[in-house]
Amino acid sequence: DTEVTQTPKHLVMGMTNKKSLKCEQHMGHRAMYWYKQKAKKPPELMFVYSYEKLSINESVPSRFSPECPNSSLLNLHLHALQPEDSALYLCASQPGPGSTEAFFGQGTRLTVV
Amino acid sequence: AQSVAQPEDQVNVAEGNPLTVKCTYSVSGNPYLFWYVQYPNRGLQFLLKYITGDNLVKGSYGFEAEFNKSQTSFHLKKPSALVSDSALYFCAVRDIGSGTYKYIFGTGTRLKVLA
Repeated sequence: DTEVTQTPKHLVMGMTNKKSLKCEQHMGHRAMYWYKQKAKKPPELMFVYSYEKLSINESVPSRFSPECPNSSLLNLHLHALQPEDSALYLCASQPGPGSTEAFFGQGTRLTVV
Repeated sequence: AQSVAQPEDQVNVAEGNPLTVKCTYSVSGNPYLFWYVQYPNRGLQFLLKYITGDNLVKGSYGFEAEFNKSQTSFHLKKPSALVSDSALYFCAVRDIGSGTYKYIFGTGTRLKVLA
């Protein structure tokens, strides 16, 4: 299994809702990432987990809350989002924090209404 | 600080012609360079990387890239373009020096291959 699986593929949520994005990989990778990508822009790093511990938070607002319950799973909990948070959210993983290329999931297209 | 520049927002090429998508970088130390491709509403797919060794790197789908240290460039090339190559291409550098190992992406180049 060489895939990073993200669910759901699409999500529409209101500004008062609480929702979660899920990312799963079974490649034994120990570094996992959340990126946010706006239309026609490069991905922007949000969070990095290394060996299930949060190692980087790129000054992301607290309405985004990451969680890594085990080495295969990465969640992004969403609460009280704004319309400008609408974007493609990408998860990525790689064998370790010092390794080379990352494997990306197909992303969750989030729309905040 | 590490950075990557993709000077062209869009590149148009006729099917069957060679294509080049440009990338220049600025890093302290040895660069770890990557090319990724993104199709509409999809994640990024790894194409190729340069870590060390031969300056000409071969990757997926017939793509290759040439690392040029003196010009600090890592241009993506393909000898004969296909319509299916039309997509958004990102050059990236790995930030090794800071210890974070995070990717720094260029702004992306949209490749349009015309039939």
